[in-house]
Amino acid sequence: AQSVTQLGSHVSVSEGALVLLRCNYSSSVPPYLFWYVQYPNQGLQLLLKYTTGATLVKGINGFEAEFKKSETSFHLTKPSAHMSDAAEYFCAVSFAGGTSYGKLTFGQGTILTVHP
Amino acid sequence: KAGVTQTPRYLIKTRGQQVTLSCSPISGHRSVSWYQQTPGQGLQFLFEYFSETQRNKGNFPGRFSGRQFSNSRSEMNVSTLELGDSALYLCASSEGGYNEQFFGPGTRLTVL
Repeated sequence: AQSVTQLGSHVSVSEGALVLLRCNYSSSVPPYLFWYVQYPNQGLQLLLKYTTGATLVKGINGFEAEFKKSETSFHLTKPSAHMSDAAEYFCAVSFAGGTSYGKLTFGQGTILTVHP
Repeated sequence: KAGVTQTPRYLIKTRGQQVTLSCSPISGHRSVSWYQQTPGQGLQFLFEYFSETQRNKGNFPGRFSGRQFSNSRSEMNVSTLELGDSALYLCASSEGGYNEQFFGPGTRLTVL
């Protein structure tokens, strides 16, 4: 079965510091990978996606992620944290195949706190 | 384009009642997926509709059902509500296939 693991339910950084949120997946077929952000009392906003092609993908708000097949990872990074980045982040995966139509499998989420 | 909209945003019901939630997808999107979000279980997939057909379903009891109309708008129904059904219900739309999904703001359901 496909699964997603986000290492660290809480990550705390100082403003201006590097943000690194970890995501690992398990899959027997090539995955499609996504990162979403959720602010309090809101829905999920897509940050970036990997489907095929370049393994380093850039998203909105200065975030990027690198797909590493050998490590089954898709970690999210941002060089310099901003106070407005404080939110909960979700890694998600989908797979080609009939049983996966319209289904994203999410990690448990990582709450990012940014200190002044 | 307008984003995904969900109505109502907040709902309070009592055990045993039923509830219907509505989702309007982004114009041109034919796929609508529903998710339940709770602190304990996280984000869980309920079902997906494409061109009025349910193509996929998650591991939820039959009390959870849905449908999609010809204009791609979708509704989700929960019958005989239980306390554990209290959650944020999110709908997402996409063009179909394995494209990215765009989420609405959610409906916060509280069951008393």
